[in-house]
Amino acid sequence: DVKVTQSSRYLVKRTGEKVFLECVQDMDHENMFWYRQDPGLGLRLIYFSYDVKMKEKGDIPEGYSVSREKKERFSLILESASTNQTSMYLCASSQQGNPHEQYFGPGTRLTVT
Amino acid sequence: RKEVEQDPGPFNVPEGATVAFNCTYSNSASQSFFWYRQDCRKEPKLLMSVYSSGNEDGRFTAQLNRASQYISLLIRDSKLSDSATYLCVVNSYTGNQFYFGTGTSLTVIP
Repeated sequence: DVKVTQSSRYLVKRTGEKVFLECVQDMDHENMFWYRQDPGLGLRLIYFSYDVKMKEKGDIPEGYSVSREKKERFSLILESASTNQTSMYLCASSQQGNPHEQYFGPGTRLTVT
Repeated sequence: RKEVEQDPGPFNVPEGATVAFNCTYSNSASQSFFWYRQDCRKEPKLLMSVYSSGNEDGRFTAQLNRASQYISLLIRDSKLSDSATYLCVVNSYTGNQFYFGTGTSLTVIP
């Protein structure tokens, strides 16, 4: 069974803090993704990575950065958290190419106060 | 134009009913198609892949119409446990990017 884990289920941070969200997958997947999910907006892609040290911007990269130093780990960084970054953050992984599906971690519910 | 569009619902149906969801996608070069299920405050989980010839898994049937660029999900004999949000997902030509619909909310009523 594919397993994608995220470092925290719930996180509360203050405005201006630097926030690290960690994601680890155990199936040797090449692709990893970070999404945020907000009511009425669905899942929006922040960044994805198709290989170690490679990253591509998604639809809403502003205010975020990512790091992929090892194949199994993909980190999302909020350089200076703001209240509009309060959201559910979901990490996912997949094999490259078609028709491979994505597997999601349990999500991190981040609240920025 | 959004890559993937779904009717958000909500769909409220009685137990035992048949319900169908449709989803349209904009990129004709899309290669792979999926339906995911998401329970409240949980992560999305794969319900089924959608193949060109259509496929069935128990009470669930998925269809793909490439000419009209839509996919559908049919749920027969609805159960209370089917209550969830159903997400339509389309994979890009390269296979490296996934596009999600906003989801269709289903509530099955006793």
